[in-house]
Amino acid sequence: DIVMTQTPLSSPVTLGQPASISCTSSQSLVHSDGNTYLSWLQQRPGQPPRLLIYKISNRFSGVPDRFSGSGAGTDFTLKISRVEAEDVGIYYCMEATQFPRITFGGGTKVEIK
Amino acid sequence: QVQLQESGPGLVKPSQTLSLTCTVSGGSISSGIYYWSWIRQPPGKGLEWIGYIYYSGSTYYNPSLKSRLTMSVDTSKNQFSLKLSSVTAADTAVYYCARTVNEFLTVNSWGQGTLVTVSS
Repeated sequence: DIVMTQTPLSSPVTLGQPASISCTSSQSLVHSDGNTYLSWLQQRPGQPPRLLIYKISNRFSGVPDRFSGSGAGTDFTLKISRVEAEDVGIYYCMEATQFPRITFGGGTKVEIK
Repeated sequence: QVQLQESGPGLVKPSQTLSLTCTVSGGSISSGIYYWSWIRQPPGKGLEWIGYIYYSGSTYYNPSLKSRLTMSVDTSKNQFSLKLSSVTAADTAVYYCARTVNEFLTVNSWGQGTLVTVSS
């Protein structure tokens, strides 16, 4: 089974400053078709998760360009270039390399200092 | 824009069966480009994939839940459903229905979620 480990568990950030979240997988996420199905989700307090990024670096419709994803193989990063108050919440990475089975990371809480 | 809405009892007794339905609006559940998913989140914890159903009725279950799980789809009502048998307190969670898009293998639409508590 693939295990997804996120760091840090919590990230206090000053408004307007950048934030970075890491997601490491226990094995390569390169699918047999050559793609890497690594996504990032945002869950604001009291809300369902929302898709931010798919296939490592593709922003979903309506997602602000301050969010960006990068990485390859087993190491991936979500960056927020300038944190806004509405970005408070928990961020999850999600992989689908062994689709139909999917695995989520444990989550990283972004909060304002 | 597609919307998903979960419905079902919020309280289930231990050893009984949890039953939920997801109604899809703003799009057809018979579209072949989506899998229809259930995902749950215990209070204060992370996300756990439960399983998928395709419009044809094909299912894929989380192996850890497979022995207790049944999913079905009703294309005439644009709904899909979940049944989880022999529940315990460990099954207490917010249950989300969601849509997984084949091309990108990601979950791009979520219901609001429904809290199901297992308690006598």
